[in-house]
Amino acid sequence: GAVVSQHPSRVICKSGTSVKIECRSLDFQATTMFWYRQFPKQSLMLMATSNEGSKATYEQGVEKDKFLINHASLTLSTLTVTSAHPEDSSFYICSASDLAGMNTEAFFGQGTRLTVV
Amino acid sequence: EDQVTQSPEALRLQEGESSSLNCSYTVSGLRGLFWYRQDPGKGPEFLFTLYSAGEEKEKERLKATLTKKESFLHITAPKPEDSATYLCAVQARGSTLGRLYFGRGTQLTVWP
Repeated sequence: GAVVSQHPSRVICKSGTSVKIECRSLDFQATTMFWYRQFPKQSLMLMATSNEGSKATYEQGVEKDKFLINHASLTLSTLTVTSAHPEDSSFYICSASDLAGMNTEAFFGQGTRLTVV
Repeated sequence: EDQVTQSPEALRLQEGESSSLNCSYTVSGLRGLFWYRQDPGKGPEFLFTLYSAGEEKEKERLKATLTKKESFLHITAPKPEDSATYLCAVQARGSTLGRLYFGRGTQLTVWP
């Protein structure tokens, strides 16, 4: 299957600072990537759809100024959590699909555990 | 509204004790139903895609089946290394390719 790499796997930051998470498709080009958030023992909740070369599409209730998404190339999307607060602590996961062959499977990164102190 | 419900929430099996996990779904036109395995602190690992009712797929001790309303993940003679959370997700026709709606998962524990 296609490989999606996410970095960092863990990050601890101070309240009020910003944190950037990277999501890369290693062996395919991804015009669209997705960012999810997962709380303990909960489902993955879609936060936003990242579109290469255009603005991200955010799900209802997700603050676009808090969670900045940039998809500047066909293999890289970044999520920046701005002015982080303890309630932003969570597990963030990205996914991408190799659409060249019209495959519908989504492949996920390893996830990033964010802890805001 | 698209919905995915998984049951049970948690399942404990003895090694070798076969069982099934359920995923019920409501979607406005199913493009595909997906099963993933997630280990603690990791991203989901792709297992299967099912596209139409009656379809079945197998991989080692796992077999996934699909009807018009639900999917089952059958685990035959499980081993401790099968312990993980199993996630079901659907993709709706008309939605962006790759966009998934997830259930809460079934946490499977297999003890020796």
